[in-house]
Amino acid sequence: AQTVTQSQPEMSVQEAETVTLSCTYDTSESDYYLFWYKQPPSRQMILVIRQEAYKQQNATENRFSVNFQKAAKSFSLKISDSQLGDAAMYFCVMDNAGNMLTFGGGTRLMVKP
Amino acid sequence: GAGVSQSPSNKVTEKGKDVELRCDPISGHTALYWYRQSLGQGLEFLIYFQGNSAPDKSGLPSDRFSAERTGGSVSTLTIQRTQQEDSAVYLCASSLVGFRTGTTIGAQHFGDGTRLSIL
Repeated sequence: AQTVTQSQPEMSVQEAETVTLSCTYDTSESDYYLFWYKQPPSRQMILVIRQEAYKQQNATENRFSVNFQKAAKSFSLKISDSQLGDAAMYFCVMDNAGNMLTFGGGTRLMVKP
Repeated sequence: GAGVSQSPSNKVTEKGKDVELRCDPISGHTALYWYRQSLGQGLEFLIYFQGNSAPDKSGLPSDRFSAERTGGSVSTLTIQRTQQEDSAVYLCASSLVGFRTGTTIGAQHFGDGTRLSIL
């Protein structure tokens, strides 16, 4: 069975500063995808960044980057130059069944002006 | 529309009543997914459709839950004899193809969800 664990229920960051959200996962597969999704109060799930397990290079999307440690089964999200609009729930997500997504419990990020 | 549309946005009903939730996927998307998000939790997979068929119903929490999809488009999730533990946000997603979610064609696009409250 696959599991995704986010050990930080809440995090806060000062505007313009950098914050890192942690995620660990467990799977017996060698080929899988990892994602970070953002869920603002509007409830819509928004894809922030994705990583293919067979790629060693860490994914980057503008101010968002990941630190993917395959051996340690760790997948953290770094948000640089935090903005007020970054405040949301962040979910670490894994797909190793081809279509079914497994979600972590989420981390609520607060951004202080 | 351009995105996944879900209705109603909010639903309040009494315990024991039946409810029906609707999902309109993005036009042309062959795969459709239902998830449940209980308060403060991550998403729990419920069911997946490829076309009108549901090859995987293992996520449905009880036999009070059922779902169908017609015409390869609109899907309805029905909860019979609702219980208070059914209170949650029900999210729908669709994708062009039903595999390789990490690819552009397999990426799941989510609707805004239906918040269901059982009194």
